[in-house]
Amino acid sequence: EIVLTQSPGTLSLSPGERATLSCRASQSVSSNYLVWYQQKPGQAPRLLIYGASTRATGIPDRFSGSESGTDFTLTISRLEPEDFAVYYCQRYGSSRHTFGQGTKLEIK
Amino acid sequence: QVQLQESGPGLVKPSETLTLTCTVSGGSVSSYYWSWIRQPPGKGLEWIGHIYYTGSTNYNPSLKSRVTISLDTSKNQFSLKLSSVTAADTAVYYCARRNYDPFYFDYWGQGTLVTVSS
Repeated sequence: EIVLTQSPGTLSLSPGERATLSCRASQSVSSNYLVWYQQKPGQAPRLLIYGASTRATGIPDRFSGSESGTDFTLTISRLEPEDFAVYYCQRYGSSRHTFGQGTKLEIK
Repeated sequence: QVQLQESGPGLVKPSETLTLTCTVSGGSVSSYYWSWIRQPPGKGLEWIGHIYYTGSTNYNPSLKSRVTISLDTSKNQFSLKLSSVTAADTAVYYCARRNYDPFYFDYWGQGTLVTVSS
């Protein structure tokens, strides 16, 4: 079973700063199947990035995704107040979906 | 615009069966994959399983023995049954649409909290 480990658990930054969130897979993962979601309190997750680096419809270009081997990164270039939320990575493999444990992005 | 809405009891007794329904509007369940995902209070997301419009299913191995997902195309709905529930099954339950390929969940219901308690 492939495990996704997200780091850090909590990231404290100020608006305007750059955020870098990590998702590490325990084994090789096809980038086609790596997805990022944003979740705000009391809301369902929102699709941000799929295929490791493709922004979903309507997602601002300050959000970007990249990969390096088994390491996947979500970068928010300049944080806006509405970006403070919890972010999850997710992958599909062996007929099942697995989520990382999440990174909470909080205002410093 | 596709919309999903979960419905069902908010309170279930231990050892009983949790049953939820997801009603889809703005699209048809006769295409795509339809999933259930849950989130215990203050915790992360767990995929429960999905059903394809043909009726084929896949379940999370950790829940497989207790889960049944079914589809009702005449009502444009799909349902979740989780048997022998315990307090550990207390969670917000989401229904979601999964894209064909690449695989992602693009439309979600608002979620419904189900508490397991006597």
